Amino acid sequence: GQQVMQIPQYQHVQEGEDFTTYCNSSTTLSNIQWYKQRPGGHPVFLIQLVKSGEVKKQKRLTFQFGEAKKNSSLHITATQTTDVGTYFCAGLPYSGAGSYQLTFGKGTKLSVIP
Amino acid sequence: DAGITQSPRHKVTETGTPVTLRCHQTENHRYMYWYRQDPGHGLRLIHYSYGVKDTDKGEVSDGYSVSRSKTEDFLLTLESATSSQTSVYFCAISLDRSFSNQPQHFGDGTRLSIL
Repeated sequence: GQQVMQIPQYQHVQEGEDFTTYCNSSTTLSNIQWYKQRPGGHPVFLIQLVKSGEVKKQKRLTFQFGEAKKNSSLHITATQTTDVGTYFCAGLPYSGAGSYQLTFGKGTKLSVIP
Repeated sequence: DAGITQSPRHKVTETGTPVTLRCHQTENHRYMYWYRQDPGHGLRLIHYSYGVKDTDKGEVSDGYSVSRSKTEDFLLTLESATSSQTSVYFCAISLDRSFSNQPQHFGDGTRLSIL
């Protein structure tokens, strides 16, 4: 079945430093979504990428979708304590069995040291 | 936040007992999902529904059953709970399965402990 690998599993950064998490799929994706989960909370949708090579920005967050539509990244510039949480990528395969099932990566837990 | 209510929010029960978790939505979304979240495993899909009485299995469906008799309610049942089913369970909804910018919206979760 489809696998989505996400690295690193944990990241500790000093406030103001940049942060990047990477997501790699074993199969080509039709789209990839990113979610954020605050400690004790539920996953909250951040963004969806659909096109090959797509780049989207949300303030200090930059999301990229690879040319082959098998990998993606989330980069946060100048982290703040409000960025603390776990970031998940979730991929939707192109077709075949499980087409309607998002496969989530295991997430990257971000800690920000003030 | 999307109108999703999970109940109960917390439950402690014993091995071998039946457990039913409820997800209720007020958004009239067609698709509903049940996930479990465990440390080191992220979110894993248990079952999902694409309409009333229409359900399908996810990645980790063994030991779980679901039912959807109304658009707004999606029930997850553990027929005979085991300690390995101790987890946090999230319900999610989406308007459409297609890739036309349809994210999933999650409920607040149910923390289930099986002793």
